[in-house]
Amino acid sequence: KQEVTQIPAALSVPEGENLVLNCSFTDSAIYNLQWFRQDPGKGLTSLLLIQSSQREQTSGRLNASLDKSSGRSTLYIAASQPGDSATYLCAVFWGYNKLIFGAGTRLAVHP
Amino acid sequence: DAGVTQSPTHLIKTRGQQVTLRCSPISGHKSVSWYQQVLGQGPQFIFQYYEKEERGRGNFPDRFSARQFPNYSSELNVNALLLGDSALYLCASSLSPGGYTFGSGTRLTVV
Repeated sequence: KQEVTQIPAALSVPEGENLVLNCSFTDSAIYNLQWFRQDPGKGLTSLLLIQSSQREQTSGRLNASLDKSSGRSTLYIAASQPGDSATYLCAVFWGYNKLIFGAGTRLAVHP
Repeated sequence: DAGVTQSPTHLIKTRGQQVTLRCSPISGHKSVSWYQQVLGQGPQFIFQYYEKEERGRGNFPDRFSARQFPNYSSELNVNALLLGDSALYLCASSLSPGGYTFGSGTRLTVV
């Protein structure tokens, strides 16, 4: 069964810390993996899309890595800010017709 | 450019009623997918449509149905509403496999 797991479920850190959010998935034959941000009660904002042939993608203070062989992806957030507070969702596309999401990591960055 | 637009943003329905949610994809995107997100969980796949044909259905009862129109917009219908149908309903469009862009969602409350 294809599943996506995110650890930790919640994280609270002081402003300025570097963070690592983890995502693991069963079945390494993925097509791509996408990280999203979700603010409370809102839709999903795509942060980074990593194709199966890629090892990492970067956007500003965000860096996402992909290790298919171990079934893992990490989202690295540098120099965290209070505005980064949100839920971060990892979603895997196995090339059929749907994304499978993890339950998310709820991040709180306090001043 | 307009992103994925969904309407309405919020609605309240009574148990047993029927509801129709609407989605307009990004211009040029022919694939539309629907997801249900209950509080505290990741989104769950409901349907995917491509070129007006159903390409995938998630594990949802037959009370859920959808269609895609010639202009690629889509409707999600839910009949005989239950309290458990209360959720955020998300629409996503994509140009190619994977790489989804989501709308802001419709918050459905069933009372």
